Amino acid sequence: DQQVKQNSPSLSVQEGRISILNCDYTNSMFDYFLWYKKYPAEGPTFLISISSIKDKNEDGRFTVFLNKSAKHLSLHIVPSQPGDSAVYFCAALSGTGNNRKLIWGLGTSLAVNP
Amino acid sequence: EAGVTQFPSHSVIEKGQTVTLRCDPISGHDNLYWYRRVMGKEIKFLLHFVKESKQDESGMPNNRFLAERTGGTYSTLKVQPAELEDSGVYFCASSQTGTEILFGELFFGEGSRLTVL
Repeated sequence: DQQVKQNSPSLSVQEGRISILNCDYTNSMFDYFLWYKKYPAEGPTFLISISSIKDKNEDGRFTVFLNKSAKHLSLHIVPSQPGDSAVYFCAALSGTGNNRKLIWGLGTSLAVNP
Repeated sequence: EAGVTQFPSHSVIEKGQTVTLRCDPISGHDNLYWYRRVMGKEIKFLLHFVKESKQDESGMPNNRFLAERTGGTYSTLKVQPAELEDSGVYFCASSQTGTEILFGELFFGEGSRLTVL
């Protein structure tokens, strides 16, 4: 059973508008969440992360919000640019210390239209 | 500085054959991970090396999969004999320490696509 869920397989937005990608998780023990971006034929690249003790983390155009009570996080991209078109993966970190591994969602394919 | 490199980028084999995937991590990175994405499913953890030792191999699907990291440098993942359900993209990633993952310091290769016919 999936512990990290991205229920929207795809999203299309206009350039300049806000993109909101959603992610839900089931395990309340997860203490870190990360967003990765992936272009075709490339490996995932890190975008932004958030600790479970925070409710918001911002880096330039990218902001991640965490609602622990709802076990929900979202990635906001403002303003969206055509170069942001990619697959976005939400991932949770399980384990402790040096024994960590990522639990991934299915990904959401974002298309930003000029 | 070279990133994580994986070979081959794509391998097509027949069911029952053997395939060996190779991963060269970023120089100096003690931690090496293998992940796999089967079509239509999420990326899943396979195993984690710290230097040449297997720290966690809980994600290895079965004994047809053998991972090695002799000398603590590059790693190989052998599938023998391959089955249809092994098709997917195998990603390798490396980090200097395990805790750096929290801050995004986990670097992925481009992946090796395996197609089993």
